Amino acid sequence: DVQLVESGGGLVKPGGSLRLSCAASGFTFSLYSMNWVRQAPGKGLEWVSSISSNSQYMFYGDSVKGRFTISRDNAKNSLYLQMSTLRAEDTAVYYCATSGEAAAGQWGQGTLVTVSS
Amino acid sequence: DIQMTQSPSSVSASVGDRVTITCRATQVINNWLAWYQQKPGKAPKLLISGVSHVQSGVPPRFSGSGTGTDFLLTISSLQPEDSATYYCQQANSFLGGWTFGQGTKVEIK
Repeated sequence: DVQLVESGGGLVKPGGSLRLSCAASGFTFSLYSMNWVRQAPGKGLEWVSSISSNSQYMFYGDSVKGRFTISRDNAKNSLYLQMSTLRAEDTAVYYCATSGEAAAGQWGQGTLVTVSS
Repeated sequence: DIQMTQSPSSVSASVGDRVTITCRATQVINNWLAWYQQKPGKAPKLLISGVSHVQSGVPPRFSGSGTGTDFLLTISSLQPEDSATYYCQQANSFLGGWTFGQGTKVEIK
């Protein structure tokens, strides 16, 4: 079975940094584009970033461009999101998800990031 | 940037009712339009991709349609387990640039 397990969330002060990880199993990770999608408490879904299977292409939402960096290690079946200059509005559950047919086919359970002083 | 607007924001219907959710784009989009179901405290679940491609394991009462700027998610006969929030999502490209609608909460009367 496909499994995506996010980790690395927690409480961080405004202006701080955090690195999220997503461990993938149950499928050939290196063949799939991957994504980060977030959801602020009580709010809707917001796409954050995408990365192609071979890391050749990376895309970012306007709200995180220049502050967040997506990366992956296909040898370790892992996806990462380096977040810096964090703001209160970055507080959310962050999900990693696979890409297929321009949609998020499989999702992890999410990891909560709280930005607060 | 393309914006996606769902209507209604919420709907309350009885078991067996037909429920239709609309997703409207601010400009004509390609067929990269998906629908998700999310239950409280859970990750979203992909129901439909490519406007009308129902995912494996999704009950056939769910269907998608539309073209251009207007897209529909239809639940033909509402079941208690369909109580959830539903989101549409469009993609600027095959690899990324996604935009989600604001969500539609479906409740059972």
